[in-house]
Amino acid sequence: DQQVKQNSPSLSVQEGRISILNCDYTNSMFDYFLWYKKYPAEGPTFLISISSIKDKNEDGRFTVFLNKSAKHLSLHIVPSQPGDSAVYFCAANSGAGGTSYGKLTFGQGTILTVHP
Amino acid sequence: DTAVSQTPKYLVTQMGNDKSIKCEQNLGHDTMYWYKQDSKKFLKIMFSYNNKELIINETVPNRFSPKSPDKAHLNLHINSLELGDSAVYFCASSRHGGGPGELFFGEGSRLTVL
Repeated sequence: DQQVKQNSPSLSVQEGRISILNCDYTNSMFDYFLWYKKYPAEGPTFLISISSIKDKNEDGRFTVFLNKSAKHLSLHIVPSQPGDSAVYFCAANSGAGGTSYGKLTFGQGTILTVHP
Repeated sequence: DTAVSQTPKYLVTQMGNDKSIKCEQNLGHDTMYWYKQDSKKFLKIMFSYNNKELIINETVPNRFSPKSPDKAHLNLHINSLELGDSAVYFCASSRHGGGPGELFFGEGSRLTVL
C-alpha cells in the first residue's frame, strides 16, 4: 500500500523550459511534504518543503504547490538547467515533531532529464 | 569533509552470512536513521535513534539490529542474510529544531546477497 506515489517514472525537458514533477498521496494525516533530489551514487539531498497550512512555497527556481483537497503536490522548476537532471523524490511526514520527526514516506522517484 | 559517511559503499556476500554497515555523521546532529531503498526504488525507514535511544523501529525482521555507541554513530548489523536483503541502505541524520523531515543522507551502501 503505497501512500505516496509518483506516477511518472521519467520526464524529459528542454533547457530553459519548465519542469513539472507530480506527486499524489493517500494518507490525510500527512501534514508536511518535501522534495528530495538525488544524483547517481549519492544520497538524496533536501530541496524544498511545504507545510499543509500553505498551498505554495517558493525558493529560487523551485516552487512546490500543494492541493490538499486533491491530495496532490507538484514541484515546478523554472527555468530548467542541465544540472537539474537527477531523480526527484516526493516525501511526506505526519506529526511535525515528536518521534515521527524524521519518519518520511517516499514516492518511488521521477527521473528528470534536462537537455541542453 | 563528508557530513554523513557510510562504510562500506559496496558489499557482496553469501546468504546466511552476518554483515555490518557503519555510519558516522560530523554535523553534530542528535538523531540518526537507517532507510532502505528496495528494488522498486522506494525509500523506507527502518530505524531512528535520538541521542543513542531507539525512537523509531518499523516492522523490520529482528535479524536487523541497529547499534548507536554515541550520537555521531549508528551502525546496522544484519544476521543470517537473505536474498531479499539486497538493497541500498542509506544512513541519515537530522538536527533538533530543523524543519520536519529535513534529513541529511549518506551516499548509501549497496548490499548484494548471492
